[in-house]
Amino acid sequence: GDSVTQMEGPVTLSEEAFLTINCTYTATGYPSLFWYVQYPGEGLQLLLKATKADDKGSNKGFEATYRKETTSFHLEKGSVQVSDSAVYFCALSASGGYQKVTFGIGTKLQVIP
Amino acid sequence: DAGVIQSPRHEVTEMGQEVTLRCKPISGHNSLFWYRQTMMRGLELLIYFNNNVPIDDSGMPEDRFSAKMPNASFSTLKIQPSEPRDSAVYFCASSGTSGPYNEQFFGPGTRLTVL
Repeated sequence: GDSVTQMEGPVTLSEEAFLTINCTYTATGYPSLFWYVQYPGEGLQLLLKATKADDKGSNKGFEATYRKETTSFHLEKGSVQVSDSAVYFCALSASGGYQKVTFGIGTKLQVIP
Repeated sequence: DAGVIQSPRHEVTEMGQEVTLRCKPISGHNSLFWYRQTMMRGLELLIYFNNNVPIDDSGMPEDRFSAKMPNASFSTLKIQPSEPRDSAVYFCASSGTSGPYNEQFFGPGTRLTVL
């Protein structure tokens, strides 16, 4: 079945450091890929998405590129801020069928001043 | 749009009691999902509905859990009887078919504590 593997946290970075959170996936066909973010005490919200190979999703300074050859969708940000502290979930939605989304376990990011 | 609405936001109950969680999806969305989130198990999909019909309930832990969607604007998740191990944050999410991206919109969650 479909699955998403992402690095376990927590990840602790100093403000303005470079961020990478790794994500790889297993799926049949051509899934859509997502990064969701969950701030403390809130539900998940979509951060960025990519729907086909080589697409780059971007939002709020975060980027991720859909790499079909390596089945990866790593999240990056050049300079993190304290306000980026949250839990980040990599996810996929398989092509066709119903709109089920498979989530990774989540990676907690803590940014310290 | 008000987004996905969940109630109550917090629920504290005693073991053995019945608990009902409620969700109002975004108007026009035709898929609805119930998730449970705990520190130990992360985010788990319990059940999802498409056009008010349950499609996959394989994530429902046991018969104590049941979910209904009587119409397109309302769903309930019921636990009867509740147990301390049911303590978690329960999220409802909805998505539509306006595009291929299957973005899910999450509600704020219900934090359930079973004593």
